[in-house]
Order: sequence, then structure tokens, then C-alpha cells
Amino acid sequence: AQSVTQLGSHVSVSEGALVLLRCNYSSSVPPYLFWYVQYPNQGLQLLLKYTSAATLVKGINGFEAEFKKSETSFHLTKPSAHMSDAAEYFCAVSDHTGGFKTIFGAGTRLFVKA
Amino acid sequence: GAGVSQSPRYKVAKRGQDVALRCDPISGHVSLFWYQQALGQGPEFLTYFQNEAQLDKSGLPSDRFFAERPEGSVSTLKIQRTQQEDSAVYLCASSRLGGGRNEQFFGPGTRLTVL
Repeated sequence: AQSVTQLGSHVSVSEGALVLLRCNYSSSVPPYLFWYVQYPNQGLQLLLKYTSAATLVKGINGFEAEFKKSETSFHLTKPSAHMSDAAEYFCAVSDHTGGFKTIFGAGTRLFVKA
Repeated sequence: GAGVSQSPRYKVAKRGQDVALRCDPISGHVSLFWYQQALGQGPEFLTYFQNEAQLDKSGLPSDRFFAERPEGSVSTLKIQRTQQEDSAVYLCASSRLGGGRNEQFFGPGTRLTVL
């Protein structure tokens, strides 16, 4: 069965600092992995996705994530945080064995301090 | 349309009432997903449509929940005899192609409160 664990329900960084949001997944077959962002009062939108091409995936707004099969991880990073990055971030996984389900993590709320 | 729309945005129901939540996906999108998001949690999968066919309903929590997409576009999620534990935000998402590996475009959600 698929599952997603996001370590840390809240992460706080200073503006300009590195952003690291952690995601570990469980899947019995090569997964499809996603990061979605939810800004206040807006719907979820896709940041980036991994679908078995390059292991380092670049997304919008300077975010990237690296698929590490040996660690079953797909951590999200951004070299320099901006105030506008404050939002809730969700890691998600889907694969063929789960039917058409996409399983989301519980989310990590990112705070950016001036 | 420009994006996925959902109506109503807010719904208050008394316990035992039936409710119907509507989703208008992006025109031409094959796939449509429904999710339930409890406070402080991530979206939890309810059901999936590919065009008008409901291919996966494994996430529906009970037989009180029913979803349809009769013409392969607009979808309705119906909850019968609502209970307090049904209080949540219900999200709809659509994607251009079939299956679960494509970008999903989410609507703003319907916040259901059951008193």
C-alpha cells in the first residue's frame, strides 16, 4: 500500500535561508511523486512532479526535489526563501497498484521570517 | 472555463440532512477526482472518474457517499444522512489525461459543516 510521511508539520526559516521540506514515501512499485502548494485562500497547485525521468526535478518558483530510491525520499528544497513562499506544502504519491488513488501527506506549513 | 469551480463554497447542514456538492472541471479534462480534507490534514482520496466511468471508489467512507459524472464533465458528490464526522473541505480536481500520474488542477473546495 502506498503512504506518504512528511516530517514536520511546521517549518520556519528566515528570508534568504535554505528551505528543506521532507517527504518519505512507501510504494511497492516505482512511484509517481508530486509536490503541491496551497497558498492562503487558494486551491492546491502543482509545484513539480517525478514520473521516472530525471531524478532531480525542477519546479516553479525556484523549487526542486530529488528522488532517492534508496532512501525512499523526495525532499523539496529551495536555496533562498522568499516571503511569498509562506504556504502549506503537500507531498503526494500515486502508482499503478493503488488504482487511481493519489495519496497525500499531512502537509507542512512553511513560515518565512523577515 | 479558466479553472475548476465548485459550488457551493460553504454549506451548513443539520445532522441527517442530505447534501449535494458540485464540481465543474476544466473543459475537456478526462480525469476527475474527489478528495476530503479534514482540518490540519492532507486531502484524502474519495473517488476517481475517467470521463463518465467511475473507475475507483475505494476511498468513499460509507454507502452514504455517492458520486456521479453522467456526461463526463460536471460531477456531483452526494452525502446522505450527514453526520458530524462528515464536516470537512471537499476538494475536486481534474486532469487532462487519464490515470494518476498527471498534474491535477484543484478547485477551491466546498467547506461542509454538519451541526
